Amino acid sequence: GAGVSQSPSNKVTEKGKDVELRCDPISGHTALYWYRQSLGQGLEFLIYFQGNSAPDKSGLPSDRFSAERTGGSVSTLTIQRTQQEDSAVYLCASSLAAQLNTEAFFGQGTRLTVV
Amino acid sequence: AQTVTQSQPEMSVQEAETVTLSCTYDTSENNYYLFWYKQPPSRQMILVIRQEAYKQQNATENRFSVNFQKAAKSFSLKISDSQLGDTAMYFCALLLNFGNEKLTFGTGTRLTIIP
Repeated sequence: GAGVSQSPSNKVTEKGKDVELRCDPISGHTALYWYRQSLGQGLEFLIYFQGNSAPDKSGLPSDRFSAERTGGSVSTLTIQRTQQEDSAVYLCASSLAAQLNTEAFFGQGTRLTVV
Repeated sequence: AQTVTQSQPEMSVQEAETVTLSCTYDTSENNYYLFWYKQPPSRQMILVIRQEAYKQQNATENRFSVNFQKAAKSFSLKISDSQLGDTAMYFCALLLNFGNEKLTFGTGTRLTIIP
């Protein structure tokens, strides 16, 4: 596609439910990143993929969070048993190479609201 | 661990004026990249300018320029002839080179251009 696409754009869920957030990176981009942006905060790193493997999962806040990437393309971030503190904008980015001296392109994010 | 600090949560300036956004960072590494990203209300992060730490010359992109002071670990963004479309959140980010691929972001500065 022309850019990084994330779906859904907005998601409201009840506390305790599971949610899946999807990211379609730019075709050919091998590196994919998930960030979380809480209100008034900067971007918090969650996880990074190089191809289908995740060399760095250090940012995942708890074992309720998981992510996978298949076919070196689409990635899914899953949050189980959502809590109100999970409410945030989840941003995905992709780049041509693991070395981000090339530009990282961001999607428009998924705004998650847990009620 | 690396950190990025933006000490100006909000700024405003009259259209056509010049504004400078501050950023300081901390890392023990010698080779790294620094970035300024713009996030308009659409939420999409857009790369404004990048600086390689090994380059002494300050990066410039049209109306945007940086003042990179490596010894002081300072990386400020200057916007000249500001335009209404410059209204956005601006994030400073640090990327370590070779093997640590995650961008570390500051908390952002909300810039408003006043007509």
